[in-house]
Amino acid sequence: DTEVTQTPKHLVMGMTNKKSLKCEQHMGHRAMYWYKQKAKKPPELMFVYSYEKLSINESVPSRFSPECPNSSLLNLHLHALQPEDSALYLCASSQLTANYGYTFGSGTRLTVV
Amino acid sequence: AQSVTQLGSHVSVSEGALVLLRCNYSSSVPPYLFWYVQYPNQGLQLLLKYTSAATLVKGINGFEAEFKKSETSFHLTKPSAHMSDAAEYFCAVSGNSGNTPLVFGKGTRLSVIA
Repeated sequence: DTEVTQTPKHLVMGMTNKKSLKCEQHMGHRAMYWYKQKAKKPPELMFVYSYEKLSINESVPSRFSPECPNSSLLNLHLHALQPEDSALYLCASSQLTANYGYTFGSGTRLTVV
Repeated sequence: AQSVTQLGSHVSVSEGALVLLRCNYSSSVPPYLFWYVQYPNQGLQLLLKYTSAATLVKGINGFEAEFKKSETSFHLTKPSAHMSDAAEYFCAVSGNSGNTPLVFGKGTRLSVIA
């Protein structure tokens, strides 16, 4: 299995809703990442998990709450989002050495209404 | 800190013509460099990577890139463009220790004209 699987592919949520994005990989990667990508922009790093522990939080607002329950699974819990949070949310995983590059999922297209 | 600069936000080529997408990097340590491609409404796919072995790197879909330390460049090329190459291309850099996060350039949109 050489894929990162993200669900759902599309999500529409109201500003008072609570929802979660899910990311799963079975490549034995011990680093996992959340990126946010706005239209016509590069991905922006949000969070990094290393050995299931949060190692980097790029000053992301607390309405985004990451969770790494085990080495294969990464969640992003969403609460009280704003319309400007609408974006493509990408999950990635990698070996803990930097030279392999990342494997990205196909993303979740989030629309906040 | 590492960074990359992609020259040209949009490149347009004719089908069958040479593709050249430019990327220059800045790094205080020997970098690892990557090119990713993104098709509309999809994630990023790794095209190729430089990790201090051969300076000429061959990737998927006929793409290749050459690491030139003297020019701090890692330009992406393909001899003959296909319509299916139309996509967004991102150059990225990381440090060479631990799980240093990738830093992406702003991207170059490649259009292929029939």
